[in-house]
Amino acid sequence: GQNIDQPTEMTATEGAIVQINCTYQTSGFNGLFWYQQHAGEAPTFLSYNVLDGLEEKGRFSSFLSRSKGYSYLLLKELQMKDSASYLCAVRDWDSNYQLIWGAGTKLIIKP
Amino acid sequence: EAGVAQSPRYKIIEKRQSVAFWCNPISGHATLYWYQQILGQGPKLLIQFQNNGVVDDSQLPKDRFSAERLKGVDSTLKIQPAKLEDSAVYLCASSSRTEPYEQYFGPGTRLTVT
Repeated sequence: GQNIDQPTEMTATEGAIVQINCTYQTSGFNGLFWYQQHAGEAPTFLSYNVLDGLEEKGRFSSFLSRSKGYSYLLLKELQMKDSASYLCAVRDWDSNYQLIWGAGTKLIIKP
Repeated sequence: EAGVAQSPRYKIIEKRQSVAFWCNPISGHATLYWYQQILGQGPKLLIQFQNNGVVDDSQLPKDRFSAERLKGVDSTLKIQPAKLEDSAVYLCASSSRTEPYEQYFGPGTRLTVT
């Protein structure tokens, strides 16, 4: 079956680094997305990985290992505004290329 | 370019009443999605349109939910009659025209059914 797993909640300190993990099981992997969602707001696109390796975009990086069904989002130099939920989603060609979504990881940043 | 527009932003209705949500996607985006998001969960796809045709509505509770996308642009999602468990945020999204076809979301409609 299809399944996405992420930790429910994480806490980190302002200025530090945090890694949010995502493991997935899908029948037709066609790319992995990370979205950020602030409380009461819509998800916004952060990153996309389709090949193994690390994609860097400013303070955010995303890593993918297709053989392990594993991804992580790395946030550096944490700021208070990074407090949000981070959603991992896998595109599945076996499901009309739809996104299969994780429940999200709520990240709490403390001063 | 303008983002995905949705209205209303908030709606409170009693169970068994009906409600409709409206979405205007980003100009030129052929694919439009309606999602239901319950607090603490990821979005759940209700229906996906490609232009004005339905690609997937397998998770749409068709006994009470309906959606249309006339002329392949705006879309409406209707619930009739509403149940308490329909309380959620209803998100509309449209897809970029180029790889990786990331989805852009509207601000959502927060529905409370009492």
